[in-house]
Amino acid sequence: DTEVTQTPKHLVMGMTNKKSLKCEQHMGHRAMYWYKQKAKKPPELMFVYSYEKLSINESVPSRFSPECPNSSLLNLHLHALQPEDSALYLCASSRERRGQVSHEQYFGPGTRLTVT
Amino acid sequence: SQKIEQNSEALNIQEGKTATLTCNYTNYSPAYLQWYRQDPGRGPVFLLLIRENEKEKRKERLKVTFDTTLKQSLFHITASQPADSATYLCALPAGSTLGRLYFGRGTQLTVWP
Repeated sequence: DTEVTQTPKHLVMGMTNKKSLKCEQHMGHRAMYWYKQKAKKPPELMFVYSYEKLSINESVPSRFSPECPNSSLLNLHLHALQPEDSALYLCASSRERRGQVSHEQYFGPGTRLTVT
Repeated sequence: SQKIEQNSEALNIQEGKTATLTCNYTNYSPAYLQWYRQDPGRGPVFLLLIRENEKEKRKERLKVTFDTTLKQSLFHITASQPADSATYLCALPAGSTLGRLYFGRGTQLTVWP
């Protein structure tokens, strides 16, 4: 299984809502990532988990809260978002090994988020 | 600070021709460089990784070169097909921190019949 799955595919939420994005992979990858991508822009890294521990937070606002319950699952909890947070949210995973250079990243199809 | 430039936002070529996309970087020396393909509304798909000690890498109709002196990578698609139409992104590691990749803005390739 070489697939990263993300749910939901589309999400519309109000600024006062709380919602969660989910990501799952069964490739045995020990690094998982959240990216944000706006139209016609490159993906921008938000968070990196390595061996279920948060290793990188790219100064993301606290209204985005990541969680890695186990090595196969990654969540992104959303609360009090702003309309400018509307974007494609991508999850990715890779075969990190301690102390070794990153390998290629496998991306999910993304969740298209619209904040109204 | 590190900078990645893909100097063509869009490239239109005729089917059967070779598409050549460019990725330039400044202010650092990456250990490797990657190329990804992204279709509209989808996540990027990894294509090729080339390391700093490799001059060239091939995979089917794809060829990547990496010139660390020029700080440039070229990505070639030979015998291009309409199905190759997509946005192609180059990505470089951001320093030595595991997992941090910087992506270029991408080049949107259109192959017309």
